[in-house]
Amino acid sequence: AQSVSQHNHHVILSEAASLELGCNYSYGGTVNLFWYVQYPGQHLQLLLKYFSGDPLVKGIKGFEAEFIKSKFSFNLRKPSVQWSDTAEYFCAVNALQNSGYALNFGKGTSLLVTP
Amino acid sequence: NAGVMQNPRHLVRRRGQEARLRCSPMKGHSHVYWYRQLPEEGLKFMVYLQKENIIDESGMPKERFSAEFPKEGPSILRIQQVVRGDSAAYFCASSPRRYSNQPQHFGDGTRLSIL
Repeated sequence: AQSVSQHNHHVILSEAASLELGCNYSYGGTVNLFWYVQYPGQHLQLLLKYFSGDPLVKGIKGFEAEFIKSKFSFNLRKPSVQWSDTAEYFCAVNALQNSGYALNFGKGTSLLVTP
Repeated sequence: NAGVMQNPRHLVRRRGQEARLRCSPMKGHSHVYWYRQLPEEGLKFMVYLQKENIIDESGMPKERFSAEFPKEGPSILRIQQVVRGDSAAYFCASSPRRYSNQPQHFGDGTRLSIL
């Protein structure tokens, strides 16, 4: 079945640790890829997006993600996390040929950064 | 706040009642998307609307659910004869035009609880 998979449901890191959150999708054809973040009590905010071009995309707050087409992956990374990065992170895929305008989301990864 | 506005933030209904969720898109946005997030699940696409038109309702349950986006006023997601399984967070997103490379901007969501 076509889906978006986020490998880690809960991640706990200490401040200054490096972060990598996995995201794989199973849609074929052209895809647009996104990472959204939801801070406690707030709405989803766009962290970064990939449409075309350089597969390494940089987003806000020091986040970056790499699109690896052969692996159907779009992993999110940050070299040094801060306490304020504690949030829920969602990977989303827009598979233009399959799902039109809909965003297809993973189940999310809950990140807790401890002091 | 010029973001996507959803109200109410929290809505409690008894089984069999009707729930109406409202969404005002960002200023200048004429495209609205509704998503539902069940507990422990990612966001699932429900419906995509433009002013006075339903473009894609492939994610909407066939019964009891309807959506509209009138020429004037907010988009409304309506759930008739609610059941316990309708308890979820309902998110609205908007974009400025027919989605191609425009990210969707999300509201804070409406948490619907069915007693």
